[in-house]
Amino acid sequence: DAMVIQNPRYQVTQFGKPVTLSCSQTLNHNVMYWYQQKSSQAPKLLFHYYDKDFNNEADTPDNFQSRRPNTSFCFLDIRSPGLGDAAMYLCASRTGANTEAFFGQGTRLTVV
Amino acid sequence: AQSVSQHNHHVILSEAASLELGCNYSYGGTVNLFWYVQYPGQHLQLLLKYFSGDPLVKGIKGFEAEFIKSKFSFNLRKPSVQWSDTAEYFCAVTAGFQKLVFGTGTRLLVSP
Repeated sequence: DAMVIQNPRYQVTQFGKPVTLSCSQTLNHNVMYWYQQKSSQAPKLLFHYYDKDFNNEADTPDNFQSRRPNTSFCFLDIRSPGLGDAAMYLCASRTGANTEAFFGQGTRLTVV
Repeated sequence: AQSVSQHNHHVILSEAASLELGCNYSYGGTVNLFWYVQYPGQHLQLLLKYFSGDPLVKGIKGFEAEFIKSKFSFNLRKPSVQWSDTAEYFCAVTAGFQKLVFGTGTRLLVSP
């Protein structure tokens, strides 16, 4: 059974139109991550949470925001998507130290 | 903050050849180390992980990695690669509840 679920799997949005990607985990994990992965590149960390403690990477554009209303759910909001934001967005969760991260299947975002 | 570097960006091998992919990290404290594999068009899969104890870690599909603390390294090895090992390989590091950071990845092509 999938433990980290991302919806939708594929998202097409218009240039400049706000879009929200969602992630849920059934594992009761404290830590959640959002990554952006472009073709043939490594996953790039955008944000991570430890419980409600939010950590923003210094080079994450202001266009990207995140919310974690409860332990299970985490959202990635892109306020005004540009063509350069087209990518695979990965969500992951883990309990904490000495544990592995579990990844979702990803959401592939296309900006038209 | 932790960081990861992978020396080989592209590796081409023939089937049955031995594989070693380099990974070095920078972080002064206790770390958790991972190798992930990403097959073409698929999501990240965990190959193996190191938390503590025996520095030689065995993973799935015949892969192993050795943690050498003095060299800040966690190199991935496989004695005999197969065509089906063609994929991108990512080393990742995290410390405690902190961010999980990926290396730039190594693209492996195994020719039959």
